[in-house]
Amino acid sequence: EIVLTQSPATLSLSPGERGTLSCGASQSVSSTYLAWYQQKPGLAPRLLIYDGSRRATDIPDRFRGSGSGTDFTLTLSRVEPEDFAVYYCQQYGSLPYTFGQGTRVEIK
Amino acid sequence: EVQLVESGGGLVQPGGSLRLSCAGAGFTVSRHYMSWVRQAPGKGLQWVSVIYSGGSTYYPESVKGRFTISRDNSKNTVYLQMNSLRPEDTAVYYCTRAGYPNEADSFDHWGQGALVTVSS
Repeated sequence: EIVLTQSPATLSLSPGERGTLSCGASQSVSSTYLAWYQQKPGLAPRLLIYDGSRRATDIPDRFRGSGSGTDFTLTLSRVEPEDFAVYYCQQYGSLPYTFGQGTRVEIK
Repeated sequence: EVQLVESGGGLVQPGGSLRLSCAGAGFTVSRHYMSWVRQAPGKGLQWVSVIYSGGSTYYPESVKGRFTISRDNSKNTVYLQMNSLRPEDTAVYYCTRAGYPNEADSFDHWGQGALVTVSS
């Protein structure tokens, strides 16, 4: 099983600031099958990034995914008020599919 | 428009059973890998099952032998049969769709979630 470890657990940002979220894998993720999701309270998660760096439909370009192998990053270039949420990484290259424990992005 | 609508959640006693349904709209369920993902109160996401377009099914060890995923192509619906339920199975259960047909992919659509509470 691939264990995903996200850091930091909580990221405090002011609107307009840049933020970097990390996701480390216990073994290499096949074919960059790594996704990022955003979840707001009471709602289902929403796909932001797939295949490591491809933005999902209607996701603004201030969200950027990068990385390969065992190290992946989600960068929020200029945080907007609607971006404050919890972010999860997930690998779907091998079974069992696994998620990181999440990073909460909060208003500073 | 692609939609996933779950139903069947509720309160069940430890050791009991429950079946969740996930009706797909705007696409053909049998052409995509369909998964269930759960989220315990205040916790993170956990994948609990997948059914491939070819019909193969897989589970993590935590639910293997107790949960069964299946689908009814005529109803365009996926099911999750949960037996021998434990208090730690209490969670919101989401139905999800893998984006590309017939292959593993990220979960591009999610249902609204069905709350399952296991308690006496």
